[in-house]
Amino acid sequence: GDSVTQMEGPVTLSEEAFLTINCTYTATGYPSLFWYVQYPGEGLQLLLKATKADDKGSNKGFEATYRKETTSFHLEKGSVQVSDSAVYFCALRKAGNMLTFGGGTRLMVKP
Amino acid sequence: EAGVTQFPSHSVIEKGQTVTLRCDPISGHDNLYWYRRVMGKEIKFLLHFVKESKQDESGMPNNRFLAERTGGTYSTLKVQPAELEDSGVYFCASSQDRQTEAFFGQGTRLTVV
Repeated sequence: GDSVTQMEGPVTLSEEAFLTINCTYTATGYPSLFWYVQYPGEGLQLLLKATKADDKGSNKGFEATYRKETTSFHLEKGSVQVSDSAVYFCALRKAGNMLTFGGGTRLMVKP
Repeated sequence: EAGVTQFPSHSVIEKGQTVTLRCDPISGHDNLYWYRRVMGKEIKFLLHFVKESKQDESGMPNNRFLAERTGGTYSTLKVQPAELEDSGVYFCASSQDRQTEAFFGQGTRLTVV
């Protein structure tokens, strides 16, 4: 079946550091790919998405490129802030709008 | 516009008891989904409603879990009797249709002791 694997956390960075959170997937067909974020005390929010190969999703300084050849969708940000501290989930979706999530990666950014 | 709301935000119950979680989707959203995250692992799909009908319940773990969506508005997820391994965070999401973004609630943290 479909699956999503992302790097385990926690990831601890200093403010203004470069962030990469790796995400790879296994799926038949052509899924859409997503990154969701959960800030402390809040629900899941869609951060960015890409619907086909080579698409780049971006939002709030975060970017991820849909790489079909490596089945990856790594999340990057050039300069993290303390307010980026949260849990990040990579996910894929095929028909029916059911999402398949990775295990989540906790990011802690220190001032 | 109100988002997806879930009640309660946190519930602690003893093994063997019954708990009912509630989800109020965004008004007008026909599609409603339940997910859960157990023991800090991945978030897993439980089931999908389209209006009041169960479209896909392939993720329901066993018959101790019962989901309803009477009238196609809010949904409830009952766990009876609860077991220790049911502890986790239960998320609800809704979307206007199957292709548009699903919006998530804050989740209900269930602790079974």
